[in-house]
Amino acid sequence: DAGVTQSPTHLIKTRGQQVTLRCSPKSGHDTVSWYQQALGQGPQFIFQYYEEEERQRGNFPDRFSGHQYPNYSSELNVNALLLGDSALYLCASSVLGPYNEQFFGPGTRLTVL
Amino acid sequence: AQKVTQAQTEISVVEKEDVTLDCVYETRDTTYYLFWYKQPPSGELVFLIRRNSFDEQNEISGRYSWNFQKSTSSFNFTITASQVVDSAVYFCALSEFIQGAQKLVFGQGTRLTINP
Repeated sequence: DAGVTQSPTHLIKTRGQQVTLRCSPKSGHDTVSWYQQALGQGPQFIFQYYEEEERQRGNFPDRFSGHQYPNYSSELNVNALLLGDSALYLCASSVLGPYNEQFFGPGTRLTVL
Repeated sequence: AQKVTQAQTEISVVEKEDVTLDCVYETRDTTYYLFWYKQPPSGELVFLIRRNSFDEQNEISGRYSWNFQKSTSSFNFTITASQVVDSAVYFCALSEFIQGAQKLVFGQGTRLTINP
């Protein structure tokens, strides 16, 4: 049983560009959450998707957007990249519920030059 | 707002020593869950334990143990007889459930180095 998978592993972009990160949840999971982890910091919640809708959003600008497909896979899009967007982007999947364990993928390391 | 504080940024010990990682949280909820995750150099967060606010019993799993005290809003993690493979960054997290969605609020993490 495959766990949470993310692609690509690493990505290098320049300021102003746009990027799309992808996530496939663990089998049986219907909810996908995205987190941003800056170097030396704890992960920060970006948003959560369930039934193809954004259910909750953290303190991130509209440049960050997402999508969830009928097969529960998800994308994170970031427009007009800034140097400060350089981080590890983690995807987590779970079964919808208030206190269920979230399973994390290996992350995508984004570097903005 | 929910908040998790891990005051120890880095800890370094020699193999076989016991080590305790501290976690203090703030929440106004009466029902909540706390988590510990391990992040090895590969980057993937590995789930270690989940504890709900109504269960203050200490938990032991092999060399790992957790001490949850609501009175002091703490959820500390102890590794007994540490091993080099325990070297990683450890995160404490608090679950927040708003508008039908769950998010985890993480602490800053504690980088644990076990030296041979």
